Amino acid sequence: DQQVKQNSPSLSVQEGRISILNCDYTNSMFDYFLWYKKYPAEGPTFLISISSIKDKNEDGRFTVFLNKSAKHLSLHIVPSQPGDSAVYFCAASANYGGSQGNLIFGKGTKLSVKP
Amino acid sequence: DTAVSQTPKYLVTQMGNDKSIKCEQNLGHDTMYWYKQDSKKFLKIMFSYNNKELIINETVPNRFSPKSPDKAHLNLHINSLELGDSAVYFCASIGEREGIHNEQFFGPGTRLTVL
Repeated sequence: DQQVKQNSPSLSVQEGRISILNCDYTNSMFDYFLWYKKYPAEGPTFLISISSIKDKNEDGRFTVFLNKSAKHLSLHIVPSQPGDSAVYFCAASANYGGSQGNLIFGKGTKLSVKP
Repeated sequence: DTAVSQTPKYLVTQMGNDKSIKCEQNLGHDTMYWYKQDSKKFLKIMFSYNNKELIINETVPNRFSPKSPDKAHLNLHINSLELGDSAVYFCASIGEREGIHNEQFFGPGTRLTVL
């Protein structure tokens, strides 16, 4: 039972263009969402997050959009760079206002940015 | 300085053996986790420790036991290894900083191969 789904296992984008990575979730109790980036042979590293009270959060080239009614979020990378090539994991947690909740991860999307 | 470190990075062993993976964090965090990333690439939480107390155990076989000698360490002991235990195991600690909730810092992972 996947509560967090990343339906695209891979995505290939040309350098300088926009990368859009999608994530869907099923649990309406999730109220905080995070994106992690993972290079081969390394652990995931935090990229950007958004709480359910917002619909957009921006940090430099990275923007996360949240559509609560659709239970969908997306990560936009503009412009994409070859160094962005990595696996991107979407994660969600509940109880934002309370104790630290578990993170539920999606399977990841492998992004390849071609020069 | 490595924030979350794991040893060993690679571990190859025979079925039936007992092995340990060590994890240390120098971030001063109170809560640490162990995750398993299986062949399907799912990152699933196994345990978390908060101030030396186990607070989550996600239906993990009792052959797996976390041991926390102090707040900075959470080691994973595995008894009677099975083929299905082959996976990458990630240690993580969780921290809070302004504007970001539930940010987990991951170690580089330990690739366990059971022959």
